[in-house]
Amino acid sequence: SAVISQKPSRDICQRGTSLTIQCQVDSQVTMMFWYRQQPGQSLTLIATANQGSEATYESGFVIDKFPISRPNLTFSTLTVSNMSPEDSSIYLCSIKTGARTEAFFGQGTRLTVV
Amino acid sequence: AQSVAQPEDQVNVAEGNPLTVKCTYSVSGNPYLFWYVQYPNRGLQFLLKYITGDNLVKGSYGFEAEFNKSQTSFHLKKPSALVSDSALYFCAVSTEGGSARQLTFGSGTQLTVLP
Repeated sequence: SAVISQKPSRDICQRGTSLTIQCQVDSQVTMMFWYRQQPGQSLTLIATANQGSEATYESGFVIDKFPISRPNLTFSTLTVSNMSPEDSSIYLCSIKTGARTEAFFGQGTRLTVV
Repeated sequence: AQSVAQPEDQVNVAEGNPLTVKCTYSVSGNPYLFWYVQYPNRGLQFLLKYITGDNLVKGSYGFEAEFNKSQTSFHLKKPSALVSDSALYFCAVSTEGGSARQLTFGSGTQLTVLP
């Protein structure tokens, strides 16, 4: 299985600021995703990070709030912009090679906004 | 649209007893079903999957799951629970085609194995 390195692992940020989360994979992958896990909740898909084009966002998530970059097949970033306490969550990077394959996840970034 | 239901928020079982964590799903087309486990302050770890073939699937750490098409269920089981199995368990589903390739997760079940 691929090794996924996500950083930072945790951060405490002031409201109104932005945080960029990095996800590095040790092999080239086509499908890369960003999820949010709010406290005590399940995983919600934020967007699919597409290499060479704009990310595809799920309902309720917008590019201005969660800009995503995918400059190549091994790397992606998610920015949480203009943060509020409601953005306090775990953010997870994930990769998948097809519908029939399992997804692999980074260790997650635990974000606390104060 | 695809969906997953985990009807139990919490499951408690004594160490050495069998455990079951329930999952039902809804998809259009053939389902691909997955179980993941999340330990505190960790990412999700893959346990097992059903794609096709035998309805009983064996996975990591002695876990297994049974696919039941008529009941649209994919319950996770282990014959003898360990205290170290205590964690948060997620069921997930995907299928072929477009956005359905993405995983949809259930709400999660907190498993506590009591010594």
